[in-house]
Order: sequence, then structure tokens, then C-alpha cells
Amino acid sequence: AQTVTQSQPEMSVQEAETVTLSCTYDTSESDYYLFWYKQPPSRQMILVIRQEAYKQQNATENRFSVNFQKAAKSFSLKISDSQLGDAAMYFCAYTTYKYIFGTGTRLKVLA
Amino acid sequence: SQTIHQWPATLVQPVGSPLSLECTVEGTSNPNLYWYRQAAGRGLQLLFYSVGIGQISSEVPQNLSASRPQDRQFILSSKKLLLSDSGFYLCAWSPELGTNQPQHFGDGTRLSIL
Repeated sequence: AQTVTQSQPEMSVQEAETVTLSCTYDTSESDYYLFWYKQPPSRQMILVIRQEAYKQQNATENRFSVNFQKAAKSFSLKISDSQLGDAAMYFCAYTTYKYIFGTGTRLKVLA
Repeated sequence: SQTIHQWPATLVQPVGSPLSLECTVEGTSNPNLYWYRQAAGRGLQLLFYSVGIGQISSEVPQNLSASRPQDRQFILSSKKLLLSDSGFYLCAWSPELGTNQPQHFGDGTRLSIL
């Protein structure tokens, strides 16, 4: 069965610093897609970044980037120059035909 | 552009009462639709998904059911609510299975069972 694991329930980062959120997954599929979603206190789910498993190049969206290690089944999210507005729950998700979400990492940004 | 509407935003119900949460999508055809539950401080649990009218897949055996009477309408129901049904319910849609297209979420319904 496919699973997604986020081993860090909570992380803290100083404003303007860099933080990395971990995500590992388990699958026997070779073609799939990975996402990071952000859920601020408003509870709305916002897509942060996506990665296709067949692409070796790591995805980047402004201050957000991923470190995708397919062999290790690892998909970490790096947030550079952290801002107060980055404080939220972050969910890693995997999909082939249905989506599987991790349990989330709560990120606190310290001023 | 596509939009997703979910209501009500907040609901307080007594144990044993029925439930109906509604979700509609605009601006797209034949979307894949999903219902999730998020317990306090926890991740998203997929409850149901649907790839077409009348086609419902259940992921977790429980007190809830889902229906899709129209292409862009997805309803979550219960005949008799339990205390354990409390949580935050999210509806989502995606354009196609097995692609890099992400899911798009509604604003959620906070359900409290008394």
C-alpha cells in the first residue's frame, strides 16, 4: 500500500532563515506525482509546489524548492528566506490515481 | 476559471441527527471529486472519491455516505451522526486522474457533534 510519512510534527525557523521539511513515501509505482500543500490558520489548502516522478530536475517556485530523491523515495521541501506568512501546516501528497496525504508538519516562523 | 463551493462553513449537530454537506464545482466538466476529513491536528483522511455521476468509491468503512447526483455536485451524508464524526471536512476536485494536476480544495466545513 502506498503511504506518505512526515516525521516532523512541528518545526520552527527564524524569519529570513532556511528550513527543510521532510517527506518520505512508499510505493511500487514508477510513475507518480508529488505535491506540497500549505494550510494556514484559515484552513484553506494551497498548492505550494509539484514534482513529476519522471523528472530528475528538482522543482522550484520562488523561495520554495524540493529535493526529490526517487531511489530513496524522499521528497523534502526547502523554504528559503522564511517569512511570517509561511507559518502553516504543510502537507506532502502523493498521487497516481488517488491522492495520499501525510499527517502534516506545523511550521512556526519566529520573528 | 474554476471554482469550488462548499457549505455550510460551520455546523453544530446533535448525536443521532442526519447530515448533508454539499460541494459544487464550476467552470469545468467531469471533474474528479473527493471528500476528506481532517481531525484536529491531524492529516487528511480520504473518505470518498468519484470519477463520474453515480460512481462513488469509499475508502473508509464508516457512518458516512456520498452521492454524486450531478456532474459537478458531490454530497456527503449521514443518517445518524456519531461523536466521532466531528472534524473538518474538505471537498476537493481535480481535472484528471494520474496526472500532475493538483487537487483544488473548498474552504471546508467545521462539524461539531454534541
